[in-house]
Amino acid sequence: AQSVTQPDIHITVSEGASLELRCNYSYGATPYLFWYVQSPGQGLQLLLKYFSGDTLVQGIKGFEAEFKRSQSSFNLRKPSVHWSDAAEYFCAVAPGTGGSYIPTFGRGTSLIVHP
Amino acid sequence: DTGVSQNPRHKITKRGQNVTFRCDPISEHNRLYWYRQTLGQGPEFLTYFQNEAQLEKSRLLSDRFSAERPKGSFSTLEIQRTEQGDSAMYLCASRERGPTGDTGELFFGEGSRLTVL
Repeated sequence: AQSVTQPDIHITVSEGASLELRCNYSYGATPYLFWYVQSPGQGLQLLLKYFSGDTLVQGIKGFEAEFKRSQSSFNLRKPSVHWSDAAEYFCAVAPGTGGSYIPTFGRGTSLIVHP
Repeated sequence: DTGVSQNPRHKITKRGQNVTFRCDPISEHNRLYWYRQTLGQGPEFLTYFQNEAQLEKSRLLSDRFSAERPKGSFSTLEIQRTEQGDSAMYLCASRERGPTGDTGELFFGEGSRLTVL
């Protein structure tokens, strides 16, 4: 079974600073990987996804993520954070081959943006 | 289509009462998922439908929980004899089967928040 670790519960950055949120996964084969964002009291919105091909993927709102197979990581980055980016961010993994297609989510990283 | 719709958005109930949540997925999506999210945690998988067939159930889904998806359209999640530990956000998501098989992202509704007093 797959699993996801988001080692940082909270991240605080200043507006305009760069951001990197960490995600490590455990899965035996090539996974499908996702980053979602959740604002308070809301559902989850997809930021970006990786299925295959180029390991650097671009998403909405200026976010990007890089799949590194050797490190089992899929870290989310943004060069300049805006106050509206404050939210909860979830990394998720789904099996790329075999098994039931059930995405597993990490516990999330809460992003706090200082003015 | 406006996306995945869930109702009610909020439900407050007393311990021991039954509650039911409804999810209307994106119309062309034949896969439907229920997740539960408690404060400070990520979504945890509860159950999964392909059309009207319930294909997977998590061990989190106790006997007090039942989910249905009649005719492969909307789905309901019922919790009987609610307990305070059932307080959570219940999220529904749907997806379509990709052209090469199981792939694709989940599209989430805004969730149904349950508070059990």
